[in-house]
Amino acid sequence: NAGVTQTPKFQVLKTGQSMTLQCAQDMNHNSMYWYRQDPGMGLRLIYYSASEGTTDKGEVPNGYNVSRLNKREFSLRLESAAPSQTSVYFCASSGLGGPNQPQHFGDGTRLSIL
Amino acid sequence: KQEVTQIPAALSVPEGENLVLNCSFTDSAIYNLQWFRQDPGKGLTSLLLIQSSQREQTSGRLNASLDKSSGRSTLYIAASQPGDSATYLCAVLSSNYKLTFGKGTLLTVNP
Repeated sequence: NAGVTQTPKFQVLKTGQSMTLQCAQDMNHNSMYWYRQDPGMGLRLIYYSASEGTTDKGEVPNGYNVSRLNKREFSLRLESAAPSQTSVYFCASSGLGGPNQPQHFGDGTRLSIL
Repeated sequence: KQEVTQIPAALSVPEGENLVLNCSFTDSAIYNLQWFRQDPGKGLTSLLLIQSSQREQTSGRLNASLDKSSGRSTLYIAASQPGDSATYLCAVLSSNYKLTFGKGTLLTVNP
């Protein structure tokens, strides 16, 4: 069982470059989430998608865009990367009942911006 | 704004010991509370989810309790093993689709 798959696992960017982080889940979950994890800050929600075709801002959405491509895939895009976006990014999903169901996490993308 | 605090930040115990991890939150209007485990370089694994109407949940050697009115939860680990070594995170759902996480407790179980 793959669960939640994130690509790439590691990435180094220069300031101003753009990139898209990919996430796919094979559990037929309706809801998907993007978080960032920073030392001393804990995990913070960037964007979420309650269901296919909908997306909403979380706690720290500035500098990011998302696309819920279909039920399986939820991508996160950095249009113009900044050093403050250096972080570990996690994608998660949850089943019917949305946030009242346990969230399943991918292994993360470690992103460094120079 | 919801804030979640976990105490202690780090804990080291000998194998076989029973232990308790603590979590507190500032706003008692929550939908649920979840405990996660995170291994180094990995994502989070959901351990237990307690709905706001529940007092506790159990899974194997793990027992989580919730006292919503006082804003507290505990995770009890019985007969700890070296494989339990990880960071344990507490999170509360206090508005639709937004989990607020604590900073975690780093647990080391020594053989």
